[in-house]
Amino acid sequence: SQTIHQWPATLVQPVGSPLSLECTVEGTSNPNLYWYRQAAGRGLQLLFYSVGIGQISSEVPQNLSASRPQDRQFILSSKKLLLSDSGFYLCAWSPGTSEYNEQFFGPGTRLTVL
Amino acid sequence: AQTVTQSQPEMSVQEAETVTLSCTYDTSESDYYLFWYKQPPSRQMILVIRQEAYKQQNATENRFSVNFQKAAKSFSLKISDSQLGDAAMYFCAYRSAQGAQKLVFGQGTRLTINP
Repeated sequence: SQTIHQWPATLVQPVGSPLSLECTVEGTSNPNLYWYRQAAGRGLQLLFYSVGIGQISSEVPQNLSASRPQDRQFILSSKKLLLSDSGFYLCAWSPGTSEYNEQFFGPGTRLTVL
Repeated sequence: AQTVTQSQPEMSVQEAETVTLSCTYDTSESDYYLFWYKQPPSRQMILVIRQEAYKQQNATENRFSVNFQKAAKSFSLKISDSQLGDAAMYFCAYRSAQGAQKLVFGQGTRLTINP
């Protein structure tokens, strides 16, 4: 069966520090991968998605970047965090060949920027 | 661009009763998919039910069913025999059948189950 992992689970970082959040998927190959952010009490906003290694599409221009160095690894980064980067970050995957392309979510990372 | 609207920020229901959560969406496309996700306090997003726009029959999964009105662009979720474990945030989501397979989410409805 497929599983998706995210780490760390929680993170407290000062403004101006770098960020690296990691997401890995097991039990599948060539998945589509997604990064979402959820602000407190709000819905999910798609940040990045990837349909293959090295292929990254950005949805919202901002302080963050994403990379996919391996087929089942998706990394969210920032060189200098802003207060507005605080939130709950969710990674998701979907099978690229599924009709529905329903997305399966990881447990999330709670990021607090102080 | 597609948008999804959930007009009920909060809902509550007595245990064992039925509740309906509303969702409307805006799109110019004719082929797409709709989903309801549940986010319990653990914040793990869990798929509840899905619907293909080309199917007229409403999807059903055990106690969960949808009322899909394509012309009205409405996609409501009905939960029957509500249980305490149903308490969560519920998100409606839209995905185009074309292009990048992205999900567009509504703002969510917080459902409380009263014992």
